[in-house]
Amino acid sequence: DQQVKQNSPSLSVQEGRISILNCDYTNSMFDYFLWYKKYPAEGPTFLISISSIKDKNEDGRFTVFLNKSAKHLSLHIVPSQPGDSAVYFCAASSTGANNLFFGTGTRLTVIP
Amino acid sequence: NAGVTQTPKFQVLKTGQSMTLQCAQDMNHEYMSWYRQDPGMGLRLIHYSVGAGITDQGEVPNGYNVSRSTTEDFPLRLLSAAPSQTSVYFCASAPQQDTEAFFGQGTRLTVV
Repeated sequence: DQQVKQNSPSLSVQEGRISILNCDYTNSMFDYFLWYKKYPAEGPTFLISISSIKDKNEDGRFTVFLNKSAKHLSLHIVPSQPGDSAVYFCAASSTGANNLFFGTGTRLTVIP
Repeated sequence: NAGVTQTPKFQVLKTGQSMTLQCAQDMNHEYMSWYRQDPGMGLRLIHYSVGAGITDQGEVPNGYNVSRSTTEDFPLRLLSAAPSQTSVYFCASAPQQDTEAFFGQGTRLTVV
């Protein structure tokens, strides 16, 4: 059973606009959440993370929002750039656990 | 700075053959792990290690063995390859198990 879900397999956005990628989780024990970005033929690379004690974390153009009551997090990219075109994976873990649970990924295409 | 290095990048095996996927990291990370990525499934943990001499099973360990004789290396062995093991395999390392992971470029394995 998928504990981390990314229900949108793909998203297309115009360059300069905002990209919003969504992620839902079912396990209330998750307390650490990460976003990874993956280009074709490469491994995932870490983008940004958030702990459950926060509801927002920002790093340049990337902001992650966490809504614990809804078990939902989102990644905002503003402004979107063509180089942001990639597959984005949401991942979650709980303190002391040995596993990162990944979503199935959302393919973002930023149109110039 | 090489990071996490996986070899080979591509491999075709016949059913029943065995092989070892190599993984090495030069960041002195204690935690290392192996994931497989399948279409529509996200990344799933196969095995992990929290330090030299210590390994444990992840979510999908059947058909795979690992060992951790040094901090740097974490090979994954397929004992008797099956078509169901056709996948892309990623090795990752992290300073600790609850922190961001650094991934290798992946090994695309096809079992015929």
